[in-house]
This record gives sequence, C-alpha cells and structure tokens, in this order.
Amino acid sequence: SAVISQKPSRDICQRGTSLTIQCQVDSQVTMMFWYRQQPGQSLTLIATANQGSEATYESGFVIDKFPISRPNLTFSTLTVSNMSPEDSSIYLCSVDLSSYNEQFFGPGTRLTVL
Amino acid sequence: QKEVEQNSGPLSVPEGAIASLNCTYSDRGSQSFFWYRQYSGKSPELIMSIYSNGDKEDGRFTAQLNKASQYVSLLIRDSQPSDSATYLCAVRGGNTNAGKSTFGDGTTLTVKP
Repeated sequence: SAVISQKPSRDICQRGTSLTIQCQVDSQVTMMFWYRQQPGQSLTLIATANQGSEATYESGFVIDKFPISRPNLTFSTLTVSNMSPEDSSIYLCSVDLSSYNEQFFGPGTRLTVL
Repeated sequence: QKEVEQNSGPLSVPEGAIASLNCTYSDRGSQSFFWYRQYSGKSPELIMSIYSNGDKEDGRFTAQLNKASQYVSLLIRDSQPSDSATYLCAVRGGNTNAGKSTFGDGTTLTVKP
C-alpha cells in the first residue's frame, strides 16, 4: 500500500488562530478524505477533496471553518480556522488506494486548542 | 437508528479464545464492508475487506457477511494480547452514502493474558 504522511503530527494552538494540516501520498489518488476523531469517539467525515474541484463538505462542516486545498493528485491541506477548544481532536486524511473502495489512513494530526 | 451499529463493548476475552465482533448496517444497497483496527493513539488500519456473502479468511481473522440480514462480523481466532484495540466496522457504496464510508462507533477488545 502507499505511504501517507501528515504534517504536523501534533500541535498545541491558541484560541482564535488557524492551523493548516498537510497530507502527502506517494502515489496519485483521485479521492482524498478528511476526518475528525474526537477523544473516545468514532470517525466523522469533514469533507471529500477531489483534485480540480471544490471540496464537498458534510453536514455541520463549512468551508469558512475548514478550507481545503487539493492542488494535485498527491497532496491536500485542511485548515482549521479561528480555533476554539472544541476543535481539539485528531484530524486524519484518508485516500482510496485500490479499485475495491479500500480506504487507508494517514497517521493523523493531534490538535490541542487552549 | 444509526447507519452502522457495533457491539457496545467493551469486549474482554482470555488469550487463545475466539473474539467475535458484530456489526449491522441500515443501507441495504451497501456494497463494500471493512474492518479496521485502531490501537490507542494510532490511526485506523485496514485489516479485512469483504464484498460478497459468506466468509473470508485471512490468517487468524475471518470476516463474515450476510447481506440479507445486513450483518457483518469479524472473528479473531487464538486471540493475542496484541489484538487488544478498538475495531471499527465501515460500510460503503450504499444508496444514501455512495462513494463514502460510514463508520460504526467501534468495539474495544481487550485480550487478557
């Protein structure tokens, strides 16, 4: 399977600031997904990012709060804007790596907002 | 009703026993079914995929799918302490969420030496 990396792996941020998380894949992929996982909870899909088009956001998530870029088939960024303590979570990028709808996850970014 | 429901857990089994993890889903049009293992502090790792009714075996893991009952399970034979983790069931390709995976809340398994 491909290697998926995320930067940063963790960060502690102040309320009101923004953080951009990078996701890099070592092969070209069509679909990339951004998830949030709050402590002790399951995965919540934030948005789907396809190269060359606007990201598609899930209910409860908006572009102003979570802008996403997808400049090419191996890279995407998720920005968490105007952060509050409620944004403290693990943010995960995920990609489809086979024709069988199998999704693989990056190592995650652990965000703490003070 | 949640779209994907799993055993509420936590589940505890002795080392060497069979651990049985269950999952039901609501979208009858779902096509693809997955089990992920997530260790504490780590990201989910895909361990099994199943697409047609019946059993699929991979080492100590067996996935079972019954589309008529909208049920998928994961059996772990000869459970080891290293199997202690949260197991997430994911379903994809349904009528309501085509192209996206829907995850259950997970079942936490503890294998006691």
